[in-house]
Amino acid sequence: QVQLVQSGAEVKKPGSSVKVSCKASGGTFSSYAISWVRQAPGQGLEWMGGIIPIFGTANYAQKFQGRVTITADESTSTAYMELSSLRSEDTAVYYCARWVAGSSTNYFDYWGQGTLVTVSS
Amino acid sequence: QSVLTQPPSVSGAPGQRVTISCTGSSSNIGAGYDVHWYQQLPGTAPKLLIYGNSNRPSGVPDRFSGSKSGTSASLAITGLQAEDEADYYCQSYDSSLSGSKVVFGGGTKLTVL
Repeated sequence: QVQLVQSGAEVKKPGSSVKVSCKASGGTFSSYAISWVRQAPGQGLEWMGGIIPIFGTANYAQKFQGRVTITADESTSTAYMELSSLRSEDTAVYYCARWVAGSSTNYFDYWGQGTLVTVSS
Repeated sequence: QSVLTQPPSVSGAPGQRVTISCTGSSSNIGAGYDVHWYQQLPGTAPKLLIYGNSNRPSGVPDRFSGSKSGTSASLAITGLQAEDEADYYCQSYDSSLSGSKVVFGGGTKLTVL
């Protein structure tokens, strides 16, 4: 059984950066992909990007290109999402999720508990 | 504005059947990409409900079923129960000239009357 445990809530100033961690247990970390999905207050789900640790390369949604960096540390089975140039609209709960990716199918079967990031001056 | 379109809300009485639609286009559902469904209870992370259009993960009751046709998909819930009251999201993949990405519907709030 895969478990994803995320780091705690953050409060950040506009213009700063935040780095959220996602530690995995169960399964073989390097063999599966991790994605990051965010949810603004009262809003829907939005995919930010993902990474396959064994390859080390990340894919990002165009909206976040240049502002988000997703990395993975196989030695600690931990994935990271760093978002820079924060603005108030980035206030959201950020989730990591195990990403099952195939030629015609992409879905998330395990989710972290979520990390609330609040951007406020 | 979400790439996939869902009704904002649906409702039904206990024991009834409800359906939630998810409408896409030729660059996502219509292009052959699978549709998946998630249930999100208040204050919790989303939970995978249906994957690959119509498959249920272990532990999901068979009251939940999914289907896909053309550029649309549907989630059906039969024998509605109070515990089904939640937000439901459809999800697929979109590939166009502007790039490829995972896409979600805007979500549907299910109220059990």
